[in-house]
Amino acid sequence: DSGVTQTPKHLITATGQRVTLRCSPRSGDLSVYWYQQSLDQGLQFLIQYYNGEERAKGNILERFSAQQFPDLHSELNLSSLELGDSALYFCASSRSGGDTQYFGPGTRLTVL
Amino acid sequence: ILNVEQSPQSLHVQEGDSTNFTCSFPSSNFYALHWYRWETAKSPEALFVMTLNGDEKKKGRISATLNTKEGYSYLYIKGSQPEDSATYLCAFVQGTYKYIFGTGTRLKVLA
Repeated sequence: DSGVTQTPKHLITATGQRVTLRCSPRSGDLSVYWYQQSLDQGLQFLIQYYNGEERAKGNILERFSAQQFPDLHSELNLSSLELGDSALYFCASSRSGGDTQYFGPGTRLTVL
Repeated sequence: ILNVEQSPQSLHVQEGDSTNFTCSFPSSNFYALHWYRWETAKSPEALFVMTLNGDEKKKGRISATLNTKEGYSYLYIKGSQPEDSATYLCAFVQGTYKYIFGTGTRLKVLA
């Protein structure tokens, strides 16, 4: 158990809908990262937050947004969902940027 | 576009064999190089974080080296065991803290 929690574990929704994925980092970690893993693809870095501020951005679509709250938990919002958004979404946390990342169990999103 | 490449893509070895894989990354704007182990149906787990050129890290039978000037890192597994079967990922961390993962090397150790 990495100490990073993600909810929900599974999510099934329809095209055009909006969903929110939630992540709670390990105690004491200030950085939160979001990744997408599509079928047969590697880990795609989406976005990183550090102590509530956006720090780095990867290949995140405009339909996706994220934030980190004062209690350091983070939410990833996915809107106008398309079939291609079906993937495993991982959250990870670290003490600060560049440090070892600890991954959560992931949220599997299925868009029908 | 920054590329992180890992080779080979997959590998089958016999129990007891030693093996190694490569991670190639851009040689500019380097901050760190991470190695992760990812077992099927689980989440990636950190193996090493390497920051200095010439760095060498070891954890049990697994070790890694780093060459930031030429942009590569090697991961070695000595005396492979079936429980070492997993995908091994490297991640290049830029000075801007952006992480770029390779697609991994899938290792299968046959008993």
